[in-house]
Amino acid sequence: NAGVMQNPRHLVRRRGQEARLRCSPMKGHSHVYWYRQLPEEGLKFMVYLQKENIIDESGMPKERFSAEFPKEGPSILRIQQVVRGDSAAYFCASSSRANTGELFFGEGSRLTVL
Amino acid sequence: QQQVKQSPQSLIVQKGGISIINCAYENTAFDYFPWYQQFPGKGPALLIAIRPDVSEKKEGRFTISFNKSAKQFSLHIMDSQPGDSATYFCAATYGGSQGNLIFGKGTKLSVKP
Repeated sequence: NAGVMQNPRHLVRRRGQEARLRCSPMKGHSHVYWYRQLPEEGLKFMVYLQKENIIDESGMPKERFSAEFPKEGPSILRIQQVVRGDSAAYFCASSSRANTGELFFGEGSRLTVL
Repeated sequence: QQQVKQSPQSLIVQKGGISIINCAYENTAFDYFPWYQQFPGKGPALLIAIRPDVSEKKEGRFTISFNKSAKQFSLHIMDSQPGDSATYFCAATYGGSQGNLIFGKGTKLSVKP
């Protein structure tokens, strides 16, 4: 399957723990985006990365959240000291070029904070 | 304004009917308007998209109508089928936005057999 791969699909964490979500983009895609979806809401942009670079993190909360896309390996969205409000579906998308609305989304990682 | 307002929130249509979902935007810099389809437990998938230099785009049973002066666009699903039951999101973006799509809140479509 050459689609966007996300794992884990479901993650349960207690308040104060760390959550790490991984995303492997489609083959040939070097642009990765993370979006968050709250229940009954649309998707909200968080961050846009290219290999080893954060291009736009304007949608990322200033504290506890970080993202990386290393030269080798998947992109990682890291949430430190999770709180109940972090419970959401986190979607990764990839594209083959910049400045495009044609994004290919993964199936999401659903984080539940107890 | 960066919002995209979508309506209705939910829609029930009989099989064979026409489903219509509407969106409105404020930012005149937007120049690309995609629609995404999302099934439960899945990620959104690009369905159809339009640029403001045309007023209509049709792909199979799916049509986007675009009204630049009113800053509105809509999705029409002709001959709606039960398999079309999903949540539909409109979105908007512009060149230079770095892939930052502004999504509407979604419309949950249910097509009854």
